[in-house]
Amino acid sequence: DAKTTQPNSMESNEEEPVHLPCNHSTISGTDYIHWYRQLPSQGPEYVIHGLTSNVNNRMASLAIAEDRKSSTLILHRATLRDAAVYYCILRDAGGKTSGSRLTFGEGTQLTVNP
Amino acid sequence: GAGVSQSPRYKVAKRGQDVALRCDPISGHVSLFWYQQALGQGPEFLTYFQNEAQLDKSGLPSDRFFAERPEGSVSTLKIQRTQQEDSAVYLCASSFIRTDGYTFGSGTRLTVV
Repeated sequence: DAKTTQPNSMESNEEEPVHLPCNHSTISGTDYIHWYRQLPSQGPEYVIHGLTSNVNNRMASLAIAEDRKSSTLILHRATLRDAAVYYCILRDAGGKTSGSRLTFGEGTQLTVNP
Repeated sequence: GAGVSQSPRYKVAKRGQDVALRCDPISGHVSLFWYQQALGQGPEFLTYFQNEAQLDKSGLPSDRFFAERPEGSVSTLKIQRTQQEDSAVYLCASSFIRTDGYTFGSGTRLTVV
């Protein structure tokens, strides 16, 4: 599985934008970039995913570098409820059965200050 | 319901006891996954079903772990002769197709004493 690297922790202030970085220098052509987050005592929650182009949804935006070796999850206005562990995951869509699984790393613990 | 439902929410088992953990995926979701999450760690893959077929069980840690999904909807993860190292949160997730984002349940916290 291609590996991702994220900072262990980040802090933000409420109502400010947050940019969560992820490096994935060994990404392959069939790898999608997925982001999940996990709030305390809950299961992970899907946030967004993309392949090459930037993506937007109601939760966040995903900015993907032109060479696809890095990406950034953008929360436009952080709230206290956004405090969670954020996981950046590469998922192979090339057809292998193993591509169905998500391989979670350590993630980034986001703290949002009031 | 609208989400993935797991039961029980908490389970305490004596070492050596067998346990069964249940997952009700979102109706119509073809793919179902089980993950194990130790305290302070990210979830780790256990097994994957497409409908009733178990296509990948490479993450099951030992032959004490067994999962089934006989009718392609509800799934059960069974752990025989539980050990203390089995203490973890067991998460179930489902998706309509395997490349979609998953929906996770809240998990079952298993404590083996």
